[in-house]
Amino acid sequence: DQQVKQNSPSLSVQEGRISILNCDYTNSMFDYFLWYKKYPAEGPTFLISISSIKDKNEDGRFTVFLNKSAKHLSLHIVPSQPGDSAVYFCAASEDNAGNMLTFGGGTRLMVKP
Amino acid sequence: NAGVMQNPRHLVRRRGQEARLRCSPMKGHSHVYWYRQLPEEGLKFMVYLQKENIIDESGMPKERFSAEFPKEGPSILRIQQVVRGDSAAYFCASSPTSGGADEQFFGPGTRLTVL
Repeated sequence: DQQVKQNSPSLSVQEGRISILNCDYTNSMFDYFLWYKKYPAEGPTFLISISSIKDKNEDGRFTVFLNKSAKHLSLHIVPSQPGDSAVYFCAASEDNAGNMLTFGGGTRLMVKP
Repeated sequence: NAGVMQNPRHLVRRRGQEARLRCSPMKGHSHVYWYRQLPEEGLKFMVYLQKENIIDESGMPKERFSAEFPKEGPSILRIQQVVRGDSAAYFCASSPTSGGADEQFFGPGTRLTVL
């Protein structure tokens, strides 16, 4: 039973445009959400997070939106750059106390120059 | 400050052999997490350890898999009698004491191939 799902395995976007990556979850106990970026042959690197008490968190070109009632979150990257091409994983935790992360299956983003 | 280190980066084993994967956490980090990524899937939690203690092993298969994080030295994930289905990338993450979920820093992973 996948508790965190990323239904789009891949996404292609033109440089300068907005990239929107989506993530759905089923476990109502999740209250902390994270996005990771992963290049081939490297480990995931943390991008941005959001607590369930918020519905938006912004950091530079990256914004995460959380819709708790829909159990849905999204990552917006604007403007997209070729260096953003990577696999993006959303992850969830039942609290922000260093507990285990539950990951989605990932979305491969390709930003075309 | 070196990041999380994992070795070997690539490991090839024949069915029935043992695999030992090592993880050295970042300096000052006392929490270690192991995740497994099967081909075309996301990372799945296996085990969470602090020095000399297993805190949560709910994601570990009940047989053949074990993990330790001794007082001195790296954390070890050990897989006995490997099977083809164990082929995956194994990632280790570390966090500082009482670190939050966003303070888990990942290593580059060990890619295990079972022939």
